[in-house]
Amino acid sequence: DVKVTQSSRYLVKRTGEKVFLECVQDMDHENMFWYRQDPGLGLRLIYFSYDVKMKEKGDIPEGYSVSREKKERFSLILESASTNQTSMYLCASSLTTRLAGGGNTGELFFGEGSRLTVL
Amino acid sequence: AQKVTQAQTEISVVEKEDVTLDCVYETRDTTYYLFWYKQPPSGELVFLIRRNSFDEQNEISGRYSWNFQKSTSSFNFTITASQVVDSAVYFCALSEAKGGGADGLTFGKGTHLIIQP
Repeated sequence: DVKVTQSSRYLVKRTGEKVFLECVQDMDHENMFWYRQDPGLGLRLIYFSYDVKMKEKGDIPEGYSVSREKKERFSLILESASTNQTSMYLCASSLTTRLAGGGNTGELFFGEGSRLTVL
Repeated sequence: AQKVTQAQTEISVVEKEDVTLDCVYETRDTTYYLFWYKQPPSGELVFLIRRNSFDEQNEISGRYSWNFQKSTSSFNFTITASQVVDSAVYFCALSEAKGGGADGLTFGKGTHLIIQP
């Protein structure tokens, strides 16, 4: 089974703190994603990565950065946490379509989520 | 821009009733994939189904069925004889090509389904 593991299920941080959310996948997937989930807004894409050291902005990248030094690990960084970043953060991974021959197009495998509260 | 609309924010039914979750999408792509995910209270999104744009056949899996109609850009999800364990938030999603060959998903806002015993 595909396993996507997020390091912390629950975090409480103070405004201005630097926050690291870690995600590890064990299926050798090329692509990794960070979403945030808020009530009434669904899932919104923050950043994604299609290869080691490669990163692309999603729909709401402001206030966030990411790091992908190894294929299996994708980190989300909040340089200076703010209260409006209180949210559920979901990490996901997927295969690259061209390598999978199209058979796995788009299916994302998700971690259990990290609920961050910024006070 | 792609868009997925789940107009039903919350649905509450009594156990054993049938329930349909609506999903309407917008895309300019001719080839795309549609998905349904389930998010139980534990939080992890669970993949339910993927349907590609060339396959309009309806699909049935146990008590679950999906109705894909390109003419109305809809991909609705029906649960027959609902059970309390079906209580969850359900997301409809649409594939989109991202940079570097990655495929991302555009999600709807989700429908919170409550099955009352």
